[in-house]
Amino acid sequence: GAVVSQHPSRVICKSGTSVKIECRSLDFQATTMFWYRQFPKQSLMLMATSNEGSKATYEQGVEKDKFLINHASLTLSTLTVTSAHPEDSSFYICSARDRFGGYTFGSGTRLTVV
Amino acid sequence: GENVEQHPSTLSVQEGDSAVIKCTYSDSASNYFPWYKQELGKRPQLIIDIRSNVGEKKDQRIAVTLNKTAKHFSLHITETQPEDSAVYFCAASTAGYSSASKIIFGSGTRLSIRP
Repeated sequence: GAVVSQHPSRVICKSGTSVKIECRSLDFQATTMFWYRQFPKQSLMLMATSNEGSKATYEQGVEKDKFLINHASLTLSTLTVTSAHPEDSSFYICSARDRFGGYTFGSGTRLTVV
Repeated sequence: GENVEQHPSTLSVQEGDSAVIKCTYSDSASNYFPWYKQELGKRPQLIIDIRSNVGEKKDQRIAVTLNKTAKHFSLHITETQPEDSAVYFCAASTAGYSSASKIIFGSGTRLSIRP
């Protein structure tokens, strides 16, 4: 079946630095990539939606200058958390949609900002 | 936009009994309703889904029902087993390719199976 590879799985960074998370679709073309954030014991909250070659659409309350999303190809999307702070510590997970409308999740990235 | 509400937030059932989780959605355009099981620190796993042209779907011990008029859908797990313990999320979306289509999740139900 469809596989989305997400890296890194865990990252610890210092406050003020930036962290890049990659999601790569391995055997299909991801026309759309969704980025979610999940705090402990909470649901997956949609942060933004990106279509290949165009600017991402951010959900209300998500700072586009802080969470930079790039979807330069049909197989790769990246989320960069800029100037990270402890409150950005969370589980970030991507979900790719293929051209048939199916959704596949990445394995998630646990970000800890110290 | 779409809003999905899920109840209960926690559910504890005796092994062998049935568990039911209920969700409501707000957007009448939604036509795809997946259910996910998530274990701690792992990605959500699709366990069953239903589309709006169907009222019920069953896969072994798991079944989902959909009432489009009332905008309700439910997950039913029969003969529960310890490995069913996890967090379950319902979701709603418009299926197929559309730049506006996205999956919105419910708040989750932590299911615990008592031995």
